[in-house]
Amino acid sequence: DGGITQSPKYLFRKEGQNVTLSCEQNLNHDAMYWYRQDPGQGLRLIYYSQIVNDFQKGDIAEGYSVSREKKESFPLTVTSAQKNPTAFYLCASSASGADNSPLHFGNGTRLTVT
Amino acid sequence: GDSVTQMEGPVTLSEEAFLTINCTYTATGYPSLFWYVQYPGEGLQLLLKATKADDKGSNKGFEATYRKETTSFHLEKGSVQVSDSAVYFCALSDRGGSARQLTFGSGTQLTVLP
Repeated sequence: DGGITQSPKYLFRKEGQNVTLSCEQNLNHDAMYWYRQDPGQGLRLIYYSQIVNDFQKGDIAEGYSVSREKKESFPLTVTSAQKNPTAFYLCASSASGADNSPLHFGNGTRLTVT
Repeated sequence: GDSVTQMEGPVTLSEEAFLTINCTYTATGYPSLFWYVQYPGEGLQLLLKATKADDKGSNKGFEATYRKETTSFHLEKGSVQVSDSAVYFCALSDRGGSARQLTFGSGTQLTVLP
């Protein structure tokens, strides 16, 4: 079955450490996205990529970095510069970044930084 | 900028009750409108969408009508089931439905009791 796989489901880190969240898709989608979800808030876009080797900052990119070396993979690194990294992180993809291309989401990674 | 305002939860209903979750929006252009659903421990799934005024989106017994005059996209279902318990997100895209331009509401938690 095609889909988006995020791993791990739960991640714990000490403050000051960088951590990388994995996102893999086998839907052959061109566009991929990272969102952050906090309690009582909607999703906020961190980064997105419409094509391999290209990515753009979203609304809250500070303290995060990404890479898109392969079509299937879009890992997110939460750096020590991110002031409040504890959150639920969702990866998504769409066939293209164009009009009305629906988003497909992974099941998320819950990151806790202490 | 664009914004989406959803009715605050949590909402608790008995099985077979009528559901309405209110959603209003502010946008500069002519947005596409979406409802996403998030089941416990999962990512979001597209529930329904509407791309122009007076369009009605429908899926799995849920409906929402794009009302430009009241800038609303309220979600309704005539008879809810326990399996409908989830968080519902209203969203808009002000660039013809492009996923990278999605603005999400804060989500409404629905619990349906048997």
